[in-house]
Amino acid sequence: EVQLVESGGDLVQPGGSLRLSCATSGFTFSTHLMTWVRQAPGKGLEWVANIKEDGSDKYYVDSVKGRFTISRDNAQNSLSLQMNSLRVEDTAIYYCARLQTTSWCVDSWGQGTLVTVSS
Amino acid sequence: EIVMTQFPASLSLSPGEGASLSCKSSHNISSNLAWHQQKPGQAPRLVIYGASTRATGVPARFGGSGSGTEFTLTISSPQSEDFGVYYCQQYNNWPISFGPGTKLGIK
Repeated sequence: EVQLVESGGDLVQPGGSLRLSCATSGFTFSTHLMTWVRQAPGKGLEWVANIKEDGSDKYYVDSVKGRFTISRDNAQNSLSLQMNSLRVEDTAIYYCARLQTTSWCVDSWGQGTLVTVSS
Repeated sequence: EIVMTQFPASLSLSPGEGASLSCKSSHNISSNLAWHQQKPGQAPRLVIYGASTRATGVPARFGGSGSGTEFTLTISSPQSEDFGVYYCQQYNNWPISFGPGTKLGIK
């Protein structure tokens, strides 16, 4: 069974930092492109960042470029998101998600971790 | 970037009454369209991909159709566990993008 388990969400002040982690199991992690998707309170889904299977390429939504860094450890089957210079508008549930091996379709989701940016 | 729109924004049905949810893309995305279901307080779950293929474990009452720019998710005789918000997602072009969702509720 595919499992994605996020952790690291917390309450942080504007300008602060957080590191989110996603532990995975039940599939061959190194063969999947991975992504982070967020959902602000009461809002829809927004793609945040993704990383290629071998970690060689990374892409970000414009609003987080230069502040967030996505990374992965294929030996540990884990995905991370380093979030710096956090803003109030970054407040959201952050989901770790897996993309299909043959497309960019999200086929598995973690349960999410809540990041609250507030003074 | 491809913009996805969904309508209606909300839909109230009686259990067993058929549902039809629409999704449109701003550009041709072929059949690279998925539907995700999200129940309150839960993570999304993939329901349909490739516009019409049911994901593993999804009941046969869920059906998807369409290609190009117009897509439809149909739920025949919705059960209580089917109510929630449905998001369409295009994955033809990067970045992937989601529609704003259709909330399917109980009348």
